[in-house]
Amino acid sequence: SQQGEEDPQALSIQEGENATMNCSYKTSINNLQWYRQNSGRGLVHLILIRSNEREKHSGRLRVTLDTSKKSSSLLITASRAADTASYFCATVKTGANNLFFGTGTRLTVIP
Amino acid sequence: EAGVAQSPRYKIIEKRQSVAFWCNPISGHATLYWYQQILGQGPKLLIQFQNNGVVDDSQLPKDRFSAERLKGVDSTLKIQPAKLEDSAVYLCASSYTGENEQFFGPGTRLTVL
Repeated sequence: SQQGEEDPQALSIQEGENATMNCSYKTSINNLQWYRQNSGRGLVHLILIRSNEREKHSGRLRVTLDTSKKSSSLLITASRAADTASYFCATVKTGANNLFFGTGTRLTVIP
Repeated sequence: EAGVAQSPRYKIIEKRQSVAFWCNPISGHATLYWYQQILGQGPKLLIQFQNNGVVDDSQLPKDRFSAERLKGVDSTLKIQPAKLEDSAVYLCASSYTGENEQFFGPGTRLTVL
């Protein structure tokens, strides 16, 4: 069974707006990663946040992690049409060394 | 740096037939994974190799699926016999270590009729 669940399942915004996606998971983790998937470039790693970190930035991406609530959020600022894709959170459970993917959020950015 | 290579990109077969997928990981990556991604879902791990040894195959349907990584480099995944529910995209990924970021290939889209 999959470890995480993203919320919302689908999100549609105008170009230039911010997009926020949430991920909840069930067990203790070593780290949490976000991936993007679109038809052009396949599944691509975006950012990794470790269990002892609370926030991380990479360009227009901001990820937060709350291990007490077993949740994470991904914020994409100033969205672009090229950000249209499915976004997945994936966790590495404590004591394991493989990824468990969530169900994904489908983001559509309207030009 | 070359990415993860997979072939074929598309495959259509009839149920009960056999099919094989091939993956060549990024050079130097010891860990290789096969995932199954059904339409509308996230990837599900089928098997993980560390060099040529199996680390985790707990979600591999072993009655019909098999995988090998004989020389610790490229890998093949086989389905025999295929069922309708095996229709999915099969993704191969590699990484330096199991807990770090993974690099994915383009996938093989399998349709079982």
